Amino acid sequence: AQSVTQLDSQVPVFEEAPVELRCNYSSSVSVYLFWYVQYPNQGLQLLLKYLSGSTLVKGINGFEAEFNKSQTSFHLRKPSVHISDTAEYFCAVSGADSWGKLQFGAGTQVVVTP
Amino acid sequence: DAGITQSPRHKVTETGTPVTLRCHQTENHRYMYWYRQDPGHGLRLIHYSYGVKDTDKGEVSDGYSVSRSKTEDFLLTLESATSSQTSVYFCAISDSTGFSYEQYFGPGTRLTVT
Repeated sequence: AQSVTQLDSQVPVFEEAPVELRCNYSSSVSVYLFWYVQYPNQGLQLLLKYLSGSTLVKGINGFEAEFNKSQTSFHLRKPSVHISDTAEYFCAVSGADSWGKLQFGAGTQVVVTP
Repeated sequence: DAGITQSPRHKVTETGTPVTLRCHQTENHRYMYWYRQDPGHGLRLIHYSYGVKDTDKGEVSDGYSVSRSKTEDFLLTLESATSSQTSVYFCAISDSTGFSYEQYFGPGTRLTVT
């Protein structure tokens, strides 16, 4: 089984400042990692995913994440945020034996202010 | 956007009544999932389907049943609704093999049990 911990429930950040959202996971098998974003009153949209290969993954809207196997982490970063990045962000993990089932973290609410 | 619709989008029902939520896809994807979203818990898997008439339980399946008689439709039934089932329910689909591990989410159904 897999589990995911998002270390911050809320992250306030000023516009044009950088942001990092932390995600740690545990698993006894190989994993696939995802970050999803949820804008108010909407479904989830995939930001980026790590399946294999390069540990630095680039996604949509200028986000990137780095897979660190030794630290079992998959932190999400953006160098300069916009007001429109205000949303909830979810880290999710799927085990190689999980048939695509996702285990989600509790979410991190990002609030961008001018 | 992936062709996923959910109906109804909002529902208020009374304790003890049965409720059925519908997920419809136009992508011909093999895998379909039902999640519930609650504050502080992220999304939790209720049931999933890996083909017509092939379903299995997820993390929080008690009090829920599912059916899939056609590729495009996945129904979630609350057999006797309770207040603890007040939540936002999301349907997701995954591609034909399930091994891309990328899920596409519907817009959600907000269910209130009074």
